Amino acid sequence: DAGVTQSPTHLIKTRGQQVTLRCSPISGHKSVSWYQQVLGQGPQFIFQYYEKEERGRGNFPDRFSARQFPNYSSELNVNALLLGDSALYLCASSLRRSSYNEQFFGPGTRLTVL
Amino acid sequence: AQRVTQPEKLLSVFKGAPVELKCNYSYSGSPELFWYVQYSRQRLQLLLRHISRESIKGFTADLNKGETSFHLKKPFAQEEDSAMYYCALTGSNYKLTFGKGTLLTVNP
Repeated sequence: DAGVTQSPTHLIKTRGQQVTLRCSPISGHKSVSWYQQVLGQGPQFIFQYYEKEERGRGNFPDRFSARQFPNYSSELNVNALLLGDSALYLCASSLRRSSYNEQFFGPGTRLTVL
Repeated sequence: AQRVTQPEKLLSVFKGAPVELKCNYSYSGSPELFWYVQYSRQRLQLLLRHISRESIKGFTADLNKGETSFHLKKPFAQEEDSAMYYCALTGSNYKLTFGKGTLLTVNP
């Protein structure tokens, strides 16, 4: 298993555009979480999905949305991009939705908004 | 609100010296505490978690509820320990909250 995979690796967009980031969890993992990591900061929680339903949301505006598919892969969408959305977006998967479960992180997608 | 504070952005020690990375948290309840590590050009990965009470790569962390701390310690640092370390907590909402991280450099 290649672990958690994310695509694309890098992305450059301009203000006002929309972007879709993709994540494939480890086989058998049913929970996917998304994080935003701005340079010099720790990852900040955006969403958690478990069994295709949103189970948690961080302090992010409604421009951010996500979904999880029947095969447990996930997409993160960001509309009306702002310069401040430039960051590394991390996806993490875990077996179940539990505070004890280890989260396995992907390599991230580097988004640059110009 | 849940919060994790790592007061040191950078920490530099010599090989063989003890190392302690500080972590303080704020959470109104019983949190689960974790340490995640990111080595150069690698993914963020779990180092250890409080509930397991295990020692990984010689690192240990003790939860002090009175001081709301979860400091990471290793008696003898190795050069391969050089990495970015993040303290994190989760609670009943399953939301994983990270600190800003401490960059540890172990000098030869």
